[in-house]
Amino acid sequence: DTEVTQTPKHLVMGMTNKKSLKCEQHMGHRAMYWYKQKAKKPPELMFVYSYEKLSINESVPSRFSPECPNSSLLNLHLHALQPEDSALYLCASSRATGTSGYEQYFGPGTRLTVT
Amino acid sequence: GQQLNQSPQSMFIQEGEDVSMNCTSSSIFNTWLWYKQDPGEGPVLLIALYKAGELTSNGRLTAQFGITRKDSFLNISASIPSDVGIYFCAGQLRGKSTFGDGTTLTVKP
Repeated sequence: DTEVTQTPKHLVMGMTNKKSLKCEQHMGHRAMYWYKQKAKKPPELMFVYSYEKLSINESVPSRFSPECPNSSLLNLHLHALQPEDSALYLCASSRATGTSGYEQYFGPGTRLTVT
Repeated sequence: GQQLNQSPQSMFIQEGEDVSMNCTSSSIFNTWLWYKQDPGEGPVLLIALYKAGELTSNGRLTAQFGITRKDSFLNISASIPSDVGIYFCAGQLRGKSTFGDGTTLTVKP
């Protein structure tokens, strides 16, 4: 099973709201990722967690706050977003990270609209 | 940062035709991954390549990791309508994936 699940599938939020995106995998993977994807563009890396610790933050604004409660779960907390933050947010996982490459599996994404 | 050049940007082909797309970079990668993405869905992993020169097949799909480690190609043989979608390459180095801009494939029945 190579399934990564994400909830919700769609989210509409105002600029003053606080919401969270959730991601889960049960493949025993120890690396999890958040990506942002705009229409007709490739995914852009936001955060990488390795063994439940944040290892990469691609200079993402603080209105996006990631959290990895355990090795199977990854959250992305959203606060005071801007309309330009509207995008498809993708979660991915891989067995690990490091100098050797690993297959990365993506979830179906959360379509976020900020009004 | 690292950048990938993926080409062609789009392809319009007849059902049954073969397709070829490639990615090139000025940087070396340790791993190449190829994904297909349907509208509103997440990318689905098609093929993973780990060694320079490696040639790997998955059904009608064949991909190769370039000898210089700076390029990769994906071939699709005997295309069918469900091959429609956006194909992305991704090069991995030190835990980070860099994606190409994608190739949009349209298959005419």
